[in-house]
Amino acid sequence: QQQVKQSPQSLIVQKGGISIINCAYENTAFDYFPWYQQFPGKGPALLIAIRPDVSEKKEGRFTISFNKSAKQFSLHIMDSQPGDSATYFCAASINEKLVFGKGTKLTVNP
Amino acid sequence: DTGVSQNPRHKITKRGQNVTFRCDPISEHNRLYWYRQTLGQGPEFLTYFQNEAQLEKSRLLSDRFSAERPKGSFSTLEIQRTEQGDSAMYLCASSLHPDSPLHFGNGTRLTVT
Repeated sequence: QQQVKQSPQSLIVQKGGISIINCAYENTAFDYFPWYQQFPGKGPALLIAIRPDVSEKKEGRFTISFNKSAKQFSLHIMDSQPGDSATYFCAASINEKLVFGKGTKLTVNP
Repeated sequence: DTGVSQNPRHKITKRGQNVTFRCDPISEHNRLYWYRQTLGQGPEFLTYFQNEAQLEKSRLLSDRFSAERPKGSFSTLEIQRTEQGDSAMYLCASSLHPDSPLHFGNGTRLTVT
C-alpha cells in the first residue's frame, strides 16, 4: 500500500515531442506528489509538485495532471529537448517521508 | 545557498569495514533526511531529523546503521561491518519545514568489495 507504481520504465521521444510519464498509488493518506529529475552522478532535483486538492499544475513546459479518484498522476513534458534526457521519478509523501517510483529513463533524440 | 553538500562523493571499502558519510544541509534547514538509492531504483527513506532529534528510522536501517546530527547542523551516517548489499548511493536531503520541498545532495556512492 506504500508503493508508487511508475511507467514506462524507459521512453524515447523526438525533439519537440511530448513526453508522458504515469504514476499510480494506493494509499489515500499521501498528501503531496512531487516529480524529481535526476542526471547521472547527481542527486534528484525537484521539478514540479502538486497537492491532491488540485487537478493540474503547469510550470513552463512541465505539467502535472492529478486524478484523485483514480489515484493516478502524470507528468507531461511539452516540446521535449535533448537536455531533458534524464531519469524522472514520481514520488508521494506521507508524514514527511517520500515514497518514490522506480523511475523512467527519458531519452530525447535531436 | 550552496546546496546540500555530501562527502565523500565515492567510497570503496572492503566487507567488514566501518564507513562514515557526512552531510551538510542548506543553512537554516532544520529538517535533514537520509535516503538510499540502488541501481535502477528510486531512493528509499532511511531516517530523518528535526534539528538534532532523530524522529523516525526505516526498517531498512539495521542495527549496523547509525545516524547522528549533533547540534542540529551537519549529519553523519555510519555503517558498521559493511556488507556487499550495502553498496548503494546514499543521499542526504534537507528542507526548511515539513511542508517545504526536499533539496537533495549529490550523494555518496558506496562500493563494498
